[in-house]
Amino acid sequence: AQRVTQPEKLLSVFKGAPVELKCNYSYSGSPELFWYVQYSRQRLQLLLRHISRESIKGFTADLNKGETSFHLKKPFAQEEDSAMYYCALSGPGTYKYIFGTGTRLKVLA
Amino acid sequence: SAVISQKPSRDICQRGTSLTIQCQVDSQVTMMFWYRQQPGQSLTLIATANQGSEATYESGFVIDKFPISRPNLTFSTLTVSNMSPEDSSIYLCSASGVNTEAFFGQGTRLTVV
Repeated sequence: AQRVTQPEKLLSVFKGAPVELKCNYSYSGSPELFWYVQYSRQRLQLLLRHISRESIKGFTADLNKGETSFHLKKPFAQEEDSAMYYCALSGPGTYKYIFGTGTRLKVLA
Repeated sequence: SAVISQKPSRDICQRGTSLTIQCQVDSQVTMMFWYRQQPGQSLTLIATANQGSEATYESGFVIDKFPISRPNLTFSTLTVSNMSPEDSSIYLCSASGVNTEAFFGQGTRLTVV
């Protein structure tokens, strides 16, 4: 079955602490993996996609095909990182997403 | 990336009625999609809106309940028919271009009473 699993509904960290939001997936084939973020009262927006291998707002994510994971990391959390984060996958080039249940990140002062 | 406008942003409807949600993109896109986000749950794909032809529905969603139109490359509508309280959700329109990731509208928050 095709599935995205985000095991943590809520993750609280202190400002300046490292952050890791976990994402595991199940897919037969080679999916594309994405992280989307939704800040308070804003629309869902793309944070990262695995094929670009960029670092956005200090966040990185590495696709580990052996562990079928795409964890999102940031070395030093900032208060403005507080948001809802969704991991998603799609078939190559389809952009029809399967979303995880999301992790709410709270960065405490 | 392009901008998606959804209307209405929210509505409260009586059970048994229907609501049509509009999605307008400010540039031509290849693919358009409709998602549902039920309270406390993740986003679930309802269907792919195909220009000039019937939408492609995901398992668990049917045309009679969620009729979709896409008359051109920049506009689509989703109708939630014969509504019940279980249809209370956020409905999101999404679009993507050639080899670009999908972007999202701000959503329509529907409450059925």
